[in-house]
Amino acid sequence: EIVLTQSPGTLSLSPGERATLSCRPSQGIGNTYLAWYRQKPGQAPRLLIYGTSYRATGIPDRVSGSGSGTDFTLTISRLEPEDFAVYYCQQFASSPLTFGPGTRLEI
Amino acid sequence: VPLQQWGAGVLKASETLSLTCAVYGGSFSGYYWTWIRQPPGKGLEWIGEVDHSGTTNYSPSLRSRLTISVDTSKNQFFLKLTSVTAADTADYYCARGFRWAEGNGMDVWGQGTTVTVSS
Repeated sequence: EIVLTQSPGTLSLSPGERATLSCRPSQGIGNTYLAWYRQKPGQAPRLLIYGTSYRATGIPDRVSGSGSGTDFTLTISRLEPEDFAVYYCQQFASSPLTFGPGTRLEI
Repeated sequence: VPLQQWGAGVLKASETLSLTCAVYGGSFSGYYWTWIRQPPGKGLEWIGEVDHSGTTNYSPSLRSRLTISVDTSKNQFFLKLTSVTAADTADYYCARGFRWAEGNGMDVWGQGTTVTVSS
């Protein structure tokens, strides 16, 4: 099973700042196999990024993904109030399709 | 392509959890119809998936108790988890998974069903 480690556990920033979130698989995976989600309290997760760097429908270009192998990053520039939530990465390289434990982005 | 899910929200230990997810609009084939759960205050756990032909892929930790199936005539898929315990208490989500050449993900989610198991 591929274990995903996300850091930091909690990130405290202000609106307008830049957030950098990390996701590290326990073994290298191809770029096709890494996705990011945002979850707000009481809501289902929403897909932000798939294939490491492709934005899902309706996601603004201030949200971007990058990385390869065992080191992936989600970057959100110019934070807006809607961005303060929990972020999860997920790998599709091998079953079970595991999620990371999440990064809480708070004001 | 909204997903609407329903099922019993309160169960007693040893009972069977049953949930249904209906797909309204869009194609049913070509996707992986997935169940995910989230215990209170915790992270997401992938449960398993089924494609339109009924081929399944399960989490090893739940496989012995789990059945995910599909009814293409109704554009619905189902989750059954037997012998539930308090550890199965969670919000359960259905979702549409895709495997495209440029990447994989789950782009449409149900509204979630809170399932509570009492002892």
